[in-house]
This record gives sequence, structure tokens and C-alpha cells, in this order.
Amino acid sequence: AQSVTQLGSHVSVSEGALVLLRCNYSSSVPPYLFWYVQYPNQGLQLLLKYTTGATLVKGINGFEAEFKKSETSFHLTKPSAHMSDAAEYFCAVSDPGNTGKLIFGQGTTLQVKP
Amino acid sequence: EPEVTQTPSHQVTQMGQEVILRCVPISNHLYFYWYRQILGQKVEFLVSFYNNEISEKSEIFDDQFSVERPDGSNFTLKIRSTKLEDSAMYFCASGQGPFSPLHFGNGTRLTVT
Repeated sequence: AQSVTQLGSHVSVSEGALVLLRCNYSSSVPPYLFWYVQYPNQGLQLLLKYTTGATLVKGINGFEAEFKKSETSFHLTKPSAHMSDAAEYFCAVSDPGNTGKLIFGQGTTLQVKP
Repeated sequence: EPEVTQTPSHQVTQMGQEVILRCVPISNHLYFYWYRQILGQKVEFLVSFYNNEISEKSEIFDDQFSVERPDGSNFTLKIRSTKLEDSAMYFCASGQGPFSPLHFGNGTRLTVT
């Protein structure tokens, strides 16, 4: 069965500092991986996705993530945090069945300090 | 950009009452989903819907839950007899294909008292 683990339920960084949000997955087949962001009182917005091909994927708002099969990881990074990045971030893996269901990690709340 | 819309944004109901949560998916999408997020917990899959029928449901989606696509645009989630533990944020999502990214609505916050 697929599963996703996000290390650290809360991450705090200073404005301008590197953002690193960790995600590890388990999957019986090559996974499709996603990062979603949730701002307060809003739905989930797709940040980026990995399906096949280049293992470093770039998303919106300057975020990127690298698929590392050997480490079963898909960590999210951003070189320089902005106050507007404060939100909850969810890593997800697509179930290999043909329903398109996503399996989410428990989420990481990113706090950005001035 | 097209978006998934959900109504109402907040719903307060008494235990045992029926509620219907409504969603309008993106018009050319074929795959529809409901997820829920209990406060402080992860987003959980409830049900997927394709070709006018349920394609998969989780163990949470018991006989108290049902989904319907009554016309070409709406997608509804009904809870027949709400329990306190049904209090959560319910998200509707839609996608073009089984492995395309999902687009989520802003959610309906359901409070059962």
C-alpha cells in the first residue's frame, strides 16, 4: 500500500532563509508525487508534480522538489523564504490504481519569521 | 482559470440531521473526489467517482454517506445522519484523468453539534 511520511509537523524559518520540507513515500510501483499548499481558509493548491522524466521539478512560487528513488524521497525546497510562504504543505502520492486517488502525508506547517 | 466551487463554506447541523455538501467541478473534468480533513489531521480520501458511479471508497465512507452527480455540473456528498465525529472540512476535487493533478475546492467546514 502507498503511504507518505512528512518529517516535522512544524517548520520555522527566517525570511530569506532556505526552506526544506521533507517527504518520504512508500510505493509498490513507480510513484506519481505531488506537493500541495493550503493557505488559511482555502483549498489545496498544486505546487508541483513529478510523474516521469527529469527528477528535479520546478513549481510555482519558486519551489522545487527532487525525486530520489534510492532514498524514496521527494523533499520540497525554496532557496529564500518569503513571508507569503507561510502555509501548510502536503506531500501526496498517487495510488497506482486507476481511480486517481491521492494519499496525503500529515502536512507540515511552515512559519516564516521576519 | 477554471476552479472547483463548493457550497456552503460553513455548515452547522445537529447530530442526526442530514446534510448535503455541494460541489461544481471543473467542466471538462471526468474524475471527481471527496476528501475530508478533521482539524489538525491529515487530508483523508473518502470516495472517487467516474462515469456516473463510485470507482473507489474508503472505509470511512460507510452507509451514512452517498454521492451523486444529479446533472452535468453538480457533484454532491450526502451524510444521512450526522455524528459528532463527522465534523471536519470536506474538500471536493476534480481531475481530467486518473493521473492528472487534482483541483480542489476551498472546502465546506461542517460542524456537528
